[in-house]
Amino acid sequence: DAGVTQSPTHLIKTRGQQVTLRCSPKSGHDTVSWYQQALGQGPQFIFQYYEEEERQRGNFPDRFSGHQFPNYSSELNVNALLLGDSALYLCASSLGARDIQYFGAGTRLSVL
Amino acid sequence: GQQVMQIPQYQHVQEGEDFTTYCNSSTTLSNIQWYKQRPGGHPVFLIQLVKSGEVKKQKRLTFQFGEAKKNSSLHITATQTTDVGTYFCAGRHNAGGTSYGKLTFGQGTILTVHP
Repeated sequence: DAGVTQSPTHLIKTRGQQVTLRCSPKSGHDTVSWYQQALGQGPQFIFQYYEEEERQRGNFPDRFSGHQFPNYSSELNVNALLLGDSALYLCASSLGARDIQYFGAGTRLSVL
Repeated sequence: GQQVMQIPQYQHVQEGEDFTTYCNSSTTLSNIQWYKQRPGGHPVFLIQLVKSGEVKKQKRLTFQFGEAKKNSSLHITATQTTDVGTYFCAGRHNAGGTSYGKLTFGQGTILTVHP
């Protein structure tokens, strides 16, 4: 039973560029949440997808957008990258919006 | 906004000593979850508390949820070097509105265990 998988593992971009991160949820899960974890901080909620729609959103600008596909996998897109976007991006999947969330290993994004 | 505060930020203990981290929310929580993140790793779910005053145990770990459902604690008895990592609480605020599925994480407590 595969857990939550994320790709890529690491990514280096320059300011102004755009990035797409990918997440495949744990088998049987239908809800995907994305978090940003800056160094030394707790994960910050970006948004949550269920039934291919964004259901919840945290305090992140519109530069952060996402998508969920019919197979429940998800993408996180960040446009016009800033230095402050450098962080570990975590995907978590669950069965329903309020169930226990299982995290993937994350994508570490560095913006130079 | 909804905030979850966690203290202490750091805790250094000798192996065999006990450890406690505390979590407080600005508003009532519907439930609280605890996660452990090893250095270089990702958060791993430990437990979820739902009921007011609930206490749950996992071997040397004891988790408590306050009567008012605004605070929680994690206590580790007789720490071991394998306990090293950052412990996060994450609160889910009451159902309805825009907070339905959102988890608000505390800042975490970094535990170091000296052998």
